[in-house]
Amino acid sequence: KNQVEQSPQSLIILEGKNCTLQCNYTVSPFSNLRWYKQDTGRGPVSLTIMTFSENTKSNGRYTATLDADTKQSSLHITASQLSDSASYICVLLTGRDSGYALNFGKGTSLLVTP
Amino acid sequence: EAQVTQNPRYLITVTGKKLTVTCSQNMNHEYMSWYRQDPGLGLRQIYYSMNVEVTDKGDVPEGYKVSRKEKRNFPLILESPSPNQTSLYFCASSFTGPYSYNEQFFGPGTRLTVL
Repeated sequence: KNQVEQSPQSLIILEGKNCTLQCNYTVSPFSNLRWYKQDTGRGPVSLTIMTFSENTKSNGRYTATLDADTKQSSLHITASQLSDSASYICVLLTGRDSGYALNFGKGTSLLVTP
Repeated sequence: EAQVTQNPRYLITVTGKKLTVTCSQNMNHEYMSWYRQDPGLGLRQIYYSMNVEVTDKGDVPEGYKVSRKEKRNFPLILESPSPNQTSLYFCASSFTGPYSYNEQFFGPGTRLTVL
């Protein structure tokens, strides 16, 4: 079972509207949590990086939040633009005997329409 | 321009024919990594390298080899490709490993089809 679950799987919103993407995790403890944006056919681009002790991190119109009690992270997109259409991926870094493990969510596909 | 480059971008090959996908970065990064991305499975790490001559297995290393003889290059080698290795492959790099706050930069991807 995947230890990082993202929801919704896909989302369609109108240009200019706000939206929130969810990332629920069961892995614990973890070192950091990252959100990536991946345009179709291109490599992921880093949006935010948070340690387990941080609650929020912003990058322009993107704001990530972290609630360690509920084991949830959210990515809030403000005033969406057509260029926000992409897949958004949540990743948690955890330790393991042989080093570390990257726990990837399967992503949320966002479509922003005019 | 700071970037991660991969070659080839697209490749169609046949089962058993050895191939190499090259990855190069010009940012003097110590850490480099290979991922594969499949529909419904998301990104999965194949191998990573913390520095020159240091490589480690990720989650799905079977059927792949890597080498890190120079800091800037991290080739992915498929000695005997099989159809289940048909996938979209990404190389990535960062100044240090993922425990740090450093941003990880991804290459443009290589779409591999094994017939």
